[in-house]
Amino acid sequence: EEQLLESGGGLVQPGGSLRLSCAASGFNFRTYAMSWVRQAPGRGLEWVSVFGGKSETTHYADSVKGRFTISRDNSKNTLYLQMDSLRAEDTAMYYCARVQPTAVGAFDLWGLGTMVTVSS
Amino acid sequence: DIQLTQSPSFLSASVGDRVSITCRASQGISRYLAWYQQKPGKAPKVLIYGASTLQSGVPSRFSGSGSGTEFTLTVSNLQPEDFATYYCQHLYSYPLTFGGGTTVEI
Repeated sequence: EEQLLESGGGLVQPGGSLRLSCAASGFNFRTYAMSWVRQAPGRGLEWVSVFGGKSETTHYADSVKGRFTISRDNSKNTLYLQMDSLRAEDTAMYYCARVQPTAVGAFDLWGLGTMVTVSS
Repeated sequence: DIQLTQSPSFLSASVGDRVSITCRASQGISRYLAWYQQKPGKAPKVLIYGASTLQSGVPSRFSGSGSGTEFTLTVSNLQPEDFATYYCQHLYSYPLTFGGGTTVEI
């Protein structure tokens, strides 16, 4: 069964750091681009970052650029999100998602999410 | 950055109804648009990609149309399990963005 499982969320103080992990199973992880999406409590979805598959290129939302770093370890089938200089507005459920390898794309597999709370 | 505007934000409907949700892009995005369904406490689930292609396993009562700047998600014969929040997303260029969401409620 294809599956994504996030971990690493928790409570952190403003200005602190956290690293999220997303463990993939049941599919050839290295061939897919992978992304992070977040959702603040009671709010809509916000795209955060993407790491390409073969291209290994990365892109970020303006709201996290310079503070968050996406990476992956294909030998461990794991996607990461290093979050530094955290702010209260980063409080959200963080989902990892697989990018469908079609010409037009879509996020076709999602994890259950991990909650990040930034508060003093 | 490309902005996506969904309308309406809330939609009241009944079982058996046909409902439509519109997503407008601030610039042309060809057919690089996906639709997702999200239920409370759950991760989103893709319904439609490429503006009109039904994701495998999604019931045929869901359909998508449009290209360029205006897109529509239609649910025919609304079922109890369809009461949820729906989001559009463009995949035309970075940064990717989602629409604000449409909650379909009884």
